[in-house]
Amino acid sequence: SQTIHQWPATLVQPVGSPLSLECTVEGTSNPNLYWYRQAAGRGLQLLFYSVGIGQISSEVPQNLSASRPQDRQFILSSKKLLLSDSGFYLCAWGTGQGSYEQYFGPGTRLTVT
Amino acid sequence: QKEVEQDPGPLSVPEGAIVSLNCTYSNSAFQYFMWYRQYSRKGPELLMYTYSSGNKEDGRFTAQVDKSSKYISLFIRDSQPSDSATYLCAMSVVASRYGKLTFGQGTILTVHP
Repeated sequence: SQTIHQWPATLVQPVGSPLSLECTVEGTSNPNLYWYRQAAGRGLQLLFYSVGIGQISSEVPQNLSASRPQDRQFILSSKKLLLSDSGFYLCAWGTGQGSYEQYFGPGTRLTVT
Repeated sequence: QKEVEQDPGPLSVPEGAIVSLNCTYSNSAFQYFMWYRQYSRKGPELLMYTYSSGNKEDGRFTAQVDKSSKYISLFIRDSQPSDSATYLCAMSVVASRYGKLTFGQGTILTVHP
């Protein structure tokens, strides 16, 4: 069965510091991968998606970036965090082969102070 | 106007009640519909998905799609305190290679004993 991992689970970082969040998927090959942000009391905002290694598409311009160095690894980064980057970051995967369901990881709660 | 509208609630019902959760949408190209359940501080969990119009039942849960009205519903029968969570609707245009989902804001449900 497929499993998706995210770490760290919780992170408190000062403004201006760098960020690296990691997501890995097990039990599937060549998944579509997604990064979302969920602000308190709000819906999910798609940040990045990837259909393959090295292929990244951005949905929202911001100071975040994403990379996919391996088939089942997806990384969200920032060189300098802003207060507005605080939120709940979710990684998800989908097969992208005629089905549209996405399966989410446990999330990382980021607080920028 | 948002593409997907969902009443954020909160909705509070007694144990055993029938719960109706709803979303409306404006994009007539949406054909794939999903419901997610999200417990506090956790990632969303896929509950049900349906393609095009009609009903789908899974245990105490029934998903209903009315494309003519651009309206989808999730019914929960014999609601339990363990059903207390935020429920998110999501939908997709078919033939989207990267499977982009558009989410509602989520409805907060509390089932009290």
